[in-house]
Amino acid sequence: GQNIDQPTEMTATEGAIVQINCTYQTSGFNGLFWYQQHAGEAPTFLSYNVLDGLEEKGRFSSFLSRSKGYSYLLLKELQMKDSASYLCAVKWVLTGGGNKLTFGTGTQLKVEL
Amino acid sequence: DTGVSQNPRHKITKRGQNVTFRCDPISEHNRLYWYRQTLGQGPEFLTYFQNEAQLEKSRLLSDRFSAERPKGSFSTLEIQRTEQGDSAMYLCASSLRTVTGELFFGEGSRLTVL
Repeated sequence: GQNIDQPTEMTATEGAIVQINCTYQTSGFNGLFWYQQHAGEAPTFLSYNVLDGLEEKGRFSSFLSRSKGYSYLLLKELQMKDSASYLCAVKWVLTGGGNKLTFGTGTQLKVEL
Repeated sequence: DTGVSQNPRHKITKRGQNVTFRCDPISEHNRLYWYRQTLGQGPEFLTYFQNEAQLEKSRLLSDRFSAERPKGSFSTLEIQRTEQGDSAMYLCASSLRTVTGELFFGEGSRLTVL
């Protein structure tokens, strides 16, 4: 199966920390991406995990547990510009080696003052 | 900035008409993808090209949809006899063959079928 679950909406305060969870039920797992998408814009790459553990990149960190089918995106020192949809996507390998990303529905994050 | 370029950005058409979207990927990227996204949902995979070869098609892609990448560079997505349910954002993405294989998305072409 390709069920990917993430919360629909979250609200957080500027300067705070927020954790966005993602669970997946998929065989053939080959990596997990997080993308950010502002309204009316293209999704942009944030992070990639293929092994268990935490990947840190500035204010953004992403964690993966393959045995639990679980990932989270951690955003620190929230800024108003972080208000966006955050998309969890599981990677499959296609014929010829290309990647098919199956996306969750996205978590709409609202950062408030 | 030579990112992924899509046009037109917006298209309004009447039901039953044909529409065509174009995607120009990042120049050195040999992999190209089409996705469809509706409001409040994540992008859904439609099809994948490696160079000029279409290697994967989703079952979502009915026979009214056809995609081409004739010279392994730009790609077109045509929808024939459009239906109101085709209204969506059509996203194109490209990638290199790397360990990560991250996709770089274009801004999308928004289709409204009246």
